[in-house]
Amino acid sequence: QKEVEQNSGPLSVPEGAIASLNCTYSDRGSQSFFWYRQYSGKSPELIMFIYSNGDKEDGRFTAQLNKASQYVSLLIRDSQPSDSATYLCAVSSSNTGKLIFGQGTTLQVKP
Amino acid sequence: DTAVSQTPKYLVTQMGNDKSIKCEQNLGHDTMYWYKQDSKKFLKIMFSYNNKELIINETVPNRFSPKSPDKAHLNLHINSLELGDSAVYFCASSQNRGGNIQYFGAGTRLSVL
Repeated sequence: QKEVEQNSGPLSVPEGAIASLNCTYSDRGSQSFFWYRQYSGKSPELIMFIYSNGDKEDGRFTAQLNKASQYVSLLIRDSQPSDSATYLCAVSSSNTGKLIFGQGTTLQVKP
Repeated sequence: DTAVSQTPKYLVTQMGNDKSIKCEQNLGHDTMYWYKQDSKKFLKIMFSYNNKELIINETVPNRFSPKSPDKAHLNLHINSLELGDSAVYFCASSQNRGGNIQYFGAGTRLSVL
C-alpha cells in the first residue's frame, strides 16, 4: 500500500464548478498535511496546510481533514482555467520534517 | 530576491560524468531538503539537513552526496551519472524540522545522455 494515495486523474470540471481532490494516507501518526499546486515545468507551490481535524478555508480553497478516516481533501470553489495544474497531497509524520507526497491529481478546468 | 534558488536550472551531461547542483535560501530557515521528481512526476525526499546536520538520508545510491557548508546552503554532488538519474531535482527549505511548510526552489532538470 502506498503511503499517500491520490487519484492521478485527470479530473475535469467546467469553469465555475467546485473541484474536489482527495487524498488518503496510511500512517496514523501523521500530524501535518499540505496541498501543493504544480504547474507543468514549475516547482510545487503551497496552497493550503492543515493540522487539526475539520475544515480550513482560504479564499476559494478549503482543506478538510479527517484523521479517523485518514483522509484529507481539497475543495476549489468557482474553479478557473488558471487552476488547471497537478495538485500534490503531502503528509508529514515525523519530527524530521520529512514530507511524503502522493502521485498528484491533474485538474483540468474547461472554459 | 528568490527565496530558494538553485543552480543550474538545466544540466545536460554524459553518462559517467560527475556533476553538482547548488541551492541557497535567504529565508533564514534552519532546515533544507533535496527531492527528486521522476518522469511520472512522483516527488520523493532524498536528503535533509538541519543546521548543517544530516537528519534524513533516504535509500539513495551513495553516488549522491549532499553537503551543507552552512544552514543557508545545501549542495548535491552526483558521481558517475547514470541514465536513471535523469529527473528534476528540487531543493526546499523550512523554518525548522518540525513539519513546517516547505518552500521549493525552481528545480534543476538533469538529463543524462
